[in-house]
Amino acid sequence: QSALTQPPSASGSPGQSVTISCTGTSSDVGGYNYVSWYQQHPGKAPKVIIYEVRKRPSGVPDRFSGSKSGNTASLTVSGLQAEDEADYYCSSYAGSYRTYVFGTGTKVTVL
Amino acid sequence: QVQLVQSGAEVKKPGASVKVSCKASGYTFTSYYLHWVRQAPGQGLEWMGIINPIDDTTNYAQKFQGRVTMTRDTSTSAVYMELSSLRSDDTAMYYCARTGVVIPGDPFDIWGQGTMVTVSS
Repeated sequence: QSALTQPPSASGSPGQSVTISCTGTSSDVGGYNYVSWYQQHPGKAPKVIIYEVRKRPSGVPDRFSGSKSGNTASLTVSGLQAEDEADYYCSSYAGSYRTYVFGTGTKVTVL
Repeated sequence: QVQLVQSGAEVKKPGASVKVSCKASGYTFTSYYLHWVRQAPGQGLEWMGIINPIDDTTNYAQKFQGRVTMTRDTSTSAVYMELSSLRSDDTAMYYCARTGVVIPGDPFDIWGQGTMVTVSS
């Protein structure tokens, strides 16, 4: 299984929006509506912010939204805030017996 | 509260093995799958494999097959990940994380605090 492809970095000023892409194949992102996104602050464990492409767990602000088209999923963070500065990883179910694959990760900087 | 608590940091020599534990609490142990995910320093997340606490069934990422063994102990609600023939590039933070058993692509909703494994001569 190859890692899903994400841009290494993205940035925006407070209040702006930033969108991160996550490109896979028809065997993972394109084949299932089971894409999740994780936020990771330095020294911390990842935290799920989007699951099943566009659903948000309880407590996650609606500034975070997800979508998917074909083999590419996207995470949009609207109204950027200082605390959104973190690493973001996508993940997709990849079939077989509960196999998963992660993206390469994107560092989001709030300017 | 629901949590996964992992064992402490390890330092191992190349060629050795390491066994990391992950103890679950606050929920029914057999109602969730448990996975191991690792992260090398400054690098991304890498899925290593899954264990079903109900029947001990496992599935390992191709990269780790032959070197990793995941087991569980239902009496203590713990899972274990043993990695053998350690190399310097196995130096990483190792996390356990759970997913639900009903939906195949459930997200990793609870994570352990991580266990740092350092491989150095």
